Amino acid sequence: EVQLVESGGGLVQPGGSLTLSCAASGFTFSTYWMSWVRQAPGKGLEWVANIKPDGSEKYYVDSVKGRFTISRDNAKNSLYLQMSSLRAGDTAVYYCARLGSPSGWSDYWGQGTLVTVSS
Amino acid sequence: DIQMTQSPSSLSASVGDRVTITCRASQGISNDLAWFQQKPGKAPKSLIYAASSLQSGVPSKFSGSRSGTDFTLTISSLQPEDFATYYCQQYDSYPYTFGQGTKLEIK
Repeated sequence: EVQLVESGGGLVQPGGSLTLSCAASGFTFSTYWMSWVRQAPGKGLEWVANIKPDGSEKYYVDSVKGRFTISRDNAKNSLYLQMSSLRAGDTAVYYCARLGSPSGWSDYWGQGTLVTVSS
Repeated sequence: DIQMTQSPSSLSASVGDRVTITCRASQGISNDLAWFQQKPGKAPKSLIYAASSLQSGVPSKFSGSRSGTDFTLTISSLQPEDFATYYCQQYDSYPYTFGQGTKLEIK
């Protein structure tokens, strides 16, 4: 059974940093593209970033470029999102997702972790 | 960026009804379109990918189609568990973009 479990969310001050983790199990993590998607409270879904299986290609939405870094550790079956210079507009539930085909759609999602940026 | 215009934003229907939700892409995206269902407080769930392919384990009451840059999600014989919010997403080019969502409510 595919499982994705996010952790690392919490309350952080504007300008602060936070790193989210996603532990994957039930599939061969090292062969799948992975993704982060976020959802602000009461709002719709927003794609944040994708990473290739070997980590050699990364893509970001413009609003997080230069502030967020997606990475992975295939030996640990883990996906990460390093977030810095956080703003109130980054407040959201962050979902980790597996892509069902190379740079395709998200076929499995984690339960999400809430990041709140506030003073 | 490719804009995904989803309609309607909300929809009221009865158990047993058949409903249709539409997503229009601002430019051609081939068949690179997925549909998701989200219930309150839960993660999204994949329903349809490649415009019309059913995700494994999803009942056949859900179907997708494409006409040019217009994409449709049809749900037949609505049941109480189908009342949720539905999103389309294009994955043809970066940045991936979602429609604004359609909230399907019980009439």
